[in-house]
Amino acid sequence: DAKTTQPPSMDCAEGRAANLPCNHSTISGNEYVYWYRQIHSQGPQYIIHGLKNNETNEMASLIITEDRKSSTLILPHATLRDTAVYYCIVRVLPMDSNYQLIWGAGTKLIIKP
Amino acid sequence: EPEVTQTPSHQVTQMGQEVILRCVPISNHLYFYWYRQILGQKVEFLVSFYNNEISEKSEIFDDQFSVERPDGSNFTLKIRSTKLEDSAMYFCASSALAVSSYEQYFGPGTRLTVT
Repeated sequence: DAKTTQPPSMDCAEGRAANLPCNHSTISGNEYVYWYRQIHSQGPQYIIHGLKNNETNEMASLIITEDRKSSTLILPHATLRDTAVYYCIVRVLPMDSNYQLIWGAGTKLIIKP
Repeated sequence: EPEVTQTPSHQVTQMGQEVILRCVPISNHLYFYWYRQILGQKVEFLVSFYNNEISEKSEIFDDQFSVERPDGSNFTLKIRSTKLEDSAMYFCASSALAVSSYEQYFGPGTRLTVT
């Protein structure tokens, strides 16, 4: 089962920052937080991942609380193309083998004009 | 930018027939995966493959399923005798060998319809 909890849906106005929360209260010390998104019926797309420090890339920022029990994905200037289901996934970073991604239901983010 | 490709985009087959779904992973990636997503449901892991062998598989991946890397570029999923409940989107993914990152890159999927 997925080890994360996300709201089922959220709305955001175009041009505003979209803040997507994720709870992972049982996360262990060697587990990373990954975010993917899936635009309608397309293959999932990697967004960002982090361990305990905040991370930023060209797509988004990831804010992880100090106790690591929750995180927030921030899309700084949401566009209509950001409408998608966003998945928060925790996983161990594999060293000698690869690990499956365990998917929850995600948050359906709708960007409104 | 390199990407994972999958063919066909849509496959219709009759119950009991064999199907082969094909994937071309990103060229320097070494880990390969298959996932499926039944319409309206969660993405589900099927199998991962590394160094020409299965490294992990889920309960879904029973004896009806098999994977193969027949050459240096293709990665295939075979379903021997399809059932109605195999109807789903099938996604192939690949990831690179790197200590710091194991992001999985997904293809666009093959929609399998079993009638």
